Amino acid sequence: SYVLTQPPSVSVAPGQTARITCGGNNIGSKSVHWYQQKPGQAPVLVVYDDSDRPSGIPERFSGSNSGNTATLTISRVEAGDEADYYCQVWDSSSDLYVFGTGTKVTVL
Amino acid sequence: QVQLVQSGSELKKPGASVKVSCKASGYTFTSYAMNWVRQAPGQGLEWMGWINTNTGNPTYAQGFTGRFVFSLDTSVSTAYLQISSLKAEDTAVYYCARVPSHKRNIDYWGQGTLVTVSS
Repeated sequence: SYVLTQPPSVSVAPGQTARITCGGNNIGSKSVHWYQQKPGQAPVLVVYDDSDRPSGIPERFSGSNSGNTATLTISRVEAGDEADYYCQVWDSSSDLYVFGTGTKVTVL
Repeated sequence: QVQLVQSGSELKKPGASVKVSCKASGYTFTSYAMNWVRQAPGQGLEWMGWINTNTGNPTYAQGFTGRFVFSLDTSVSTAYLQISSLKAEDTAVYYCARVPSHKRNIDYWGQGTLVTVSS
């Protein structure tokens, strides 16, 4: 089955840039979606189709995808960005959705 | 506005069954697939499968066959997740989640239902 690997944690100072990676075999050929989940809350979609943002999501959130790595970038990090982030793809070979292992972003 | 409202927390004994509901509003229920996602305590998101809200045909991910059943009542725009023969390891928050047509991302999530299995 298809596996998506994320770093367990990323720490970043306020105002700096956080980059969260999502590794998968030839993930660049798939559409990658990213979700933010704050404690005790349901996930929220922050980036879809590699780099598109839903309405209401700040431009500070951006995404890219190439080769074996997709990246969610959070610019000018704020305290409110502290959360768990998950990448997700659809694996066409198995017709299954796959979530990444999740990354906890800590704002120092 | 789009809302997915799930039923409340459940405390069940091992071997019992539970049925979680997910009532949709603010959109045409049969125009979007409904997915189910599990999150065990302190763990990540795990995709359980989805149900075609037009045909009622379910698809189950590996590990969610046999004891897990997705169903619908389109007359009340509600999706259901039933789990039978509950085990302690089924303790988790269960989310329903909407996927737009021709897309492969979730755009709206229910608030989650905590199912606790304990003797």
